Amino acid sequence: AQSVAQPEDQVNVAEGNPLTVKCTYSVSGNPYLFWYVQYPNRGLQFLLKYITGDNLVKGSYGFEAEFNKSQTSFHLKKPSALVSDSALYFCAVRDGGNNRLAFGKGNQVVVIP
Amino acid sequence: NAGVTQTPKFRVLKTGQSMTLLCAQDMNHEYMYWYRQDPGMGLRLIHYSVGEGTTAKGEVPDGYNVSRLKKQNFLLGLESAAPSQTSVYFCASRTKNRGSDYGYTFGSGTRLTVV
Repeated sequence: AQSVAQPEDQVNVAEGNPLTVKCTYSVSGNPYLFWYVQYPNRGLQFLLKYITGDNLVKGSYGFEAEFNKSQTSFHLKKPSALVSDSALYFCAVRDGGNNRLAFGKGNQVVVIP
Repeated sequence: NAGVTQTPKFRVLKTGQSMTLLCAQDMNHEYMYWYRQDPGMGLRLIHYSVGEGTTAKGEVPDGYNVSRLKKQNFLLGLESAAPSQTSVYFCASRTKNRGSDYGYTFGSGTRLTVV
């Protein structure tokens, strides 16, 4: 089975400070990892993915994520948070041989002006 | 360039009523999915389809049925709605081409309330 854990329900950060949203995963095969963002009353939007290659992947809106195989983690980071980054963030994983994504519970990010 | 379109956007049902949620995608994606989103529970997979004429159960299929008669459409049916089915429902689609794999493209959701 594949699963994702996002240990924090909410992350508060001051505008301009670094933002980190944590994600750990469990899969039986090679992991395909994704981050999505959801703004109020909207669907989920793709931010970035890791399939293979460099452990540090860059995505939309200045976000990046680091794949760490030994720690089975895929934390999302942004060097300087903006108020407009306030949203719900989902980590997702699928086994390379699977058709379905497993989502974490989501992290509410609040960027304080 | 519509992507994934869900109809309706909002609906209120009485317990025991039935309804169908429609998902349509114009990206020629092979895979389609129905999720429900509930506070503190993330997204849970209801049913999915890997191609026209095929469907499969996800994590929480009870009380729902689906059909995929055409590649571009994926219908989610509630035969007898219950208050526990009050949720936000999302449809998503994905290509089976690994070279173009950006995960899912999501619709904007249907907010369903069962009273």
